[in-house]
Amino acid sequence: EVQLVESGGGLVQPGGSLRLSCAASGFSFSSYEMTWVRQAPGKGLEWVSYISRSGGTTYYADSVKGRFTISRDNAKTSLDLQMNSLRADDTAVYYCARGGWYFDFWGRGTLVTVSS
Amino acid sequence: DIQMTQSPSTLSASVGDRVTITCRASQSISSWLAWYQQKPGKAPKLLIYKASSLDSGVPSRFSGSGFGTEFTLTISSLQPDDFATYYCQHYNTYPWTFGQGTKVEIK
Repeated sequence: EVQLVESGGGLVQPGGSLRLSCAASGFSFSSYEMTWVRQAPGKGLEWVSYISRSGGTTYYADSVKGRFTISRDNAKTSLDLQMNSLRADDTAVYYCARGGWYFDFWGRGTLVTVSS
Repeated sequence: DIQMTQSPSTLSASVGDRVTITCRASQSISSWLAWYQQKPGKAPKLLIYKASSLDSGVPSRFSGSGFGTEFTLTISSLQPDDFATYYCQHYNTYPWTFGQGTKVEIK
């Protein structure tokens, strides 16, 4: 069974940092591109970042470029999102999703709240 | 960036109704479109990819069509489990963007 389990969310002050992780199981992790998608409270979905199978290619939404870094460890079947210089408008549920174009499996998400 | 616009934003319907949701792209995206269903407090679920291909395990009452800039998601006979919010998403050129969502409510 495919499973994606996010962790690392929480309350952080504006300007702070947080590192999200996604533990993947039930599929050949290294064979799939991976993506982070977020959803602000009561709002729609926003694509955040993409990483290729090898980790050699990454893309970011303009809203997070230069502040967020996506990475993966294929040996540990894990996906990370390092988030720096956090702002109030980064407050959202962050989902880890399998796929690079469309997303066929999603984790349950982890809530990040940026507030003083 | 390519903008995705869904209509309507909210739709009231009854069990058994045929329901159609429209998604328009600000420029041509060929068939590079996916549809998702999301229920409150849950992660989105992929329904359709490449505009009209049904994901594995998705009931056949769901169908997608369209090409270029205009797309539709149709539920042929609405079931109680289908009351949810639906999102379209393009994957033509980065950044991928989603529509604002269409909430299907019980009439």
